[in-house]
Amino acid sequence: AQTVTQSQPEMSVQEAETVTLSCTYDTSESDYYLFWYKQPPSRQMILVIRQEAYKQQNATENRFSVNFQKAAKSFSLKISDSQLGDAAMYFCAYRSPLYTGTASKLTFGTGTRLQVTL
Amino acid sequence: DTAVSQTPKYLVTQMGNDKSIKCEQNLGHDTMYWYKQDSKKFLKIMFSYNNKELIINETVPNRFSPKSPDKAHLNLHINSLELGDSAVYFCASSLGVPMEEKLFFGSGTQLSVL
Repeated sequence: AQTVTQSQPEMSVQEAETVTLSCTYDTSESDYYLFWYKQPPSRQMILVIRQEAYKQQNATENRFSVNFQKAAKSFSLKISDSQLGDAAMYFCAYRSPLYTGTASKLTFGTGTRLQVTL
Repeated sequence: DTAVSQTPKYLVTQMGNDKSIKCEQNLGHDTMYWYKQDSKKFLKIMFSYNNKELIINETVPNRFSPKSPDKAHLNLHINSLELGDSAVYFCASSLGVPMEEKLFFGSGTQLSVL
């Protein structure tokens, strides 16, 4: 079974600074997807960024980028120019290639709570 | 318009009761899910339906029974509620096709069993 580990329960960053959230995963599969989801206090789960394992190029979405190291099974999220609205729980998630074409089974990490200070 | 809506947002009930949570999506997606988030914020998949067919059924007690009357709806019925069922339950949907793996989540139902 796949596992996803987020070793930082809490992180803090000053507004306008950069922060990196860590995620490692364990799998024997070669083709999969990785995601970062954000959960603000409103409880809504919001997709931040995704990465296909077959792509070597790291995904970027505006101020959010990832450092995907497939051999090391590492998938960190970098938030640049942090804003107060970035404060939330961030979850790393792994999607198995099983059920492709019908469903996405996501395995989530335990989350990292990000605080943004002035 | 809300893409994935679930009702109620909050549910407080006594142990032993039976309750249902409803979910509807207006995105035209083929696949719907139920996830459970426990008090430590850990999210775990429970069920997934694709076009009303059960695709994923994780190790969930038989007291939990999903029902999909059509592909836009996936309801969750829970019998004989226990204290340990207290959690936030999220409904989600996706297109269910390769290369389109984005899940759209509802805003969650916080279930408190007293």
